[in-house]
Amino acid sequence: QQQVKQSPQSLIVQKGGISIINCAYENTAFDYFPWYQQFPGKGPALLIAIRPDVSEKKEGRFTISFNKSAKQFSLHIMDSQPGDSATYFCAASTAGANNLFFGTGTRLTVIP
Amino acid sequence: NAGVMQNPRHLVRRRGQEARLRCSPMKGHSHVYWYRQLPEEGLKFMVYLQKENIIDESGMPKERFSAEFPKEGPSILRIQQVVRGDSAAYFCASSPRGAEGTEAFFGQGTRLTVV
Repeated sequence: QQQVKQSPQSLIVQKGGISIINCAYENTAFDYFPWYQQFPGKGPALLIAIRPDVSEKKEGRFTISFNKSAKQFSLHIMDSQPGDSATYFCAASTAGANNLFFGTGTRLTVIP
Repeated sequence: NAGVMQNPRHLVRRRGQEARLRCSPMKGHSHVYWYRQLPEEGLKFMVYLQKENIIDESGMPKERFSAEFPKEGPSILRIQQVVRGDSAAYFCASSPRGAEGTEAFFGQGTRLTVV
């Protein structure tokens, strides 16, 4: 059973456009929501993370929006660049937990 | 400061052989996590270890899989009598403390192919 549902599976965006990836969860005990970026042949790298006490967090071109009541969170990549082409994973965990629950990933392609 | 080091990067094993995957955490990190990634899927937690202790192995298959993190040396994920379904990328992550999922840094993974 997938604890974190992620969509879309793949995404193609023009350079300069906005990339939006969505995730939903059921476990209300989750209180940490990171996003990871993974390039082919590499391990996931932490991109940005949010806790449910805020509804939005921005770091450079990357923004997480969090909707606690809807149990959804999303990643927005502004001014998308070809170098952003990668697979993005959302994840969630609970306080005191030892592991992350990952979404199934979104393969983003930014075309010049 | 070197990152999380995993070796080998690629491993090919015949059915029935043993696979040993190694993970050296980042300097100063004493907590190690192993994840498995199947093609087109997200990472699935397998096991969480501290030095000389298995803290949480709730994601480990009950048979053929084992993990250790000795006082000296890297963490080892061992798969005995491998089967085709074990083919996957295995990632190790480390953190400086029981991180509640935070500050976990991943290695580049070991891609296991069972033929």
